[in-house]
Amino acid sequence: SAVISQKPSRDICQRGTSLTIQCQVDSQVTMMFWYRQQPGQSLTLIATANQGSEATYESGFVIDKFPISRPNLTFSTLTVSNMSPEDSSIYLCSVEDPGPETQYFGPGTRLLVL
Amino acid sequence: KNEVEQSPQNLTAQEGEFITINCSYSVGISALHWLQQHPGGGIVSLFMLSSGKKKHGRLIATINIQEKHSSLHITASHPRDSAVYICAVRSRGAQKLVFGQGTRLTINP
Repeated sequence: SAVISQKPSRDICQRGTSLTIQCQVDSQVTMMFWYRQQPGQSLTLIATANQGSEATYESGFVIDKFPISRPNLTFSTLTVSNMSPEDSSIYLCSVEDPGPETQYFGPGTRLLVL
Repeated sequence: KNEVEQSPQNLTAQEGEFITINCSYSVGISALHWLQQHPGGGIVSLFMLSSGKKKHGRLIATINIQEKHSSLHITASHPRDSAVYICAVRSRGAQKLVFGQGTRLTINP
């Protein structure tokens, strides 16, 4: 199994600023996923982050707005840049254990942009 | 039409009732996940299914690959089961999960 922690757990930010969310996993994983969950909605994949390569972004998400770092096999960051109230969401980090194909999720970062 | 559809969207029941949440999908899949999200936002993986049936405590998950349908059952429901239950599928050959919109379950004492 994998235990995932995220920092911060929540934040209130002013529009136009940026926030970096950290995701730490207690074991080495190849693929890490960043999801967004807007209020009342289900999860939407932002990007897939592999160590040693550029993140792969889903349609509608761009690197300038959501830059991702993946410096090693246990850590990743997602930055939400130039924030607007529409960015108010829960941001979740996730990893997959390929053996049993189990998906593990972090506790989420609840972001409110004023 | 979404690739993954859940029903019902909201479900309120009394403690002790048998609960069924349904998930239908439209693509060929390699796996289907049932997830539980509590009000704080954290998500827990309940089951991963590729065929048949799995049971864990009071939770049972079934999948019918031919009919592209899965169900999550909760026996002897309890107020602590109140949460949003999310179905997610991985298409064959794909890396990412596609999520249903979730079912908000409320169990009243």
